[in-house]
Amino acid sequence: AQKITQTQPGMFVQEKEAVTLDCTYDTSDPSYGLFWYKQPSSGEMIFLIYQGSYDQQNATEGRYSLNFQKARKSANLVISASQLGDSAMYFCAMREGRNTNAGKSTFGDGTTLTVKP
Amino acid sequence: DAGVIQSPRHEVTEMGQEVTLRCKPISGHNSLFWYRQTMMRGLELLIYFNNNVPIDDSGMPEDRFSAKMPNASFSTLKIQPSEPRDSAVYFCASSLGGTLTDTQYFGPGTRLTVL
Repeated sequence: AQKITQTQPGMFVQEKEAVTLDCTYDTSDPSYGLFWYKQPSSGEMIFLIYQGSYDQQNATEGRYSLNFQKARKSANLVISASQLGDSAMYFCAMREGRNTNAGKSTFGDGTTLTVKP
Repeated sequence: DAGVIQSPRHEVTEMGQEVTLRCKPISGHNSLFWYRQTMMRGLELLIYFNNNVPIDDSGMPEDRFSAKMPNASFSTLKIQPSEPRDSAVYFCASSLGGTLTDTQYFGPGTRLTVL
C-alpha cells in the first residue's frame, strides 16, 4: 500500500485565490512527521512546512498552512493568495518514528500546480 | 548560509563509464540522504547516513551503486558501470539529525544522462 497518496496529478488556480493540495498517509506508528516540499521547474526541492503527529495546532508558515486531520490521516496543504511563482510541483512526505529508521522519508508522487493570471 | 552543495550539476556519460556524484551537506548537519528522481518512479531514497555511518541502504538499486561518507562534510555516490536506465536527477539532502522532526534540506541536484 502507498504510504503517501497525492490524488491530484494537476491543479489549476486563479491568481490571488486559495488552493488546497491533498495528501493522505498510511502509518500504524503513533509518531510521525509530515512535510511539504515545492519543486519549481528549475528542479530544486524547497521545504515549505512541517506537521508533527502530536502537534495540537495546524502548522502555518506565511501563506502556507497545513490542514491536519489525524483521524482521517490527511495533511492537506493550503496556499492562500496564490501567486504566479507558486506554479510548481508539490510533494507531500512522511517520516515515521520507528527507532533508527526515523530518518527515512517516503514521498508522494506530487501535484503539479499551475497558477493562472 | 551555504546550503547543500552538489557537483557536478549536469553529467553526460556513456554506458559502461564510472560516474561519481559529490555532496557537501550543510555544516553541522549529522544526517545525509541520497535520492533519485525519475518520471517513472518519482523520488526514491537510495541511502542515508547518520554521523557518517550508513543506516539504511535498502534503496540502492544494485551492486553497481555505492555510497561513501568519509567525513561529516563530504559524501559520494558512485555508479560503476553506468547504464542508460540510471539516467535521472540525483539529489543529496541533509538534516540536523535523524529524527522525524528534522527537516531535510535538498541540494540543487545532479542531472545524469547515460547514453
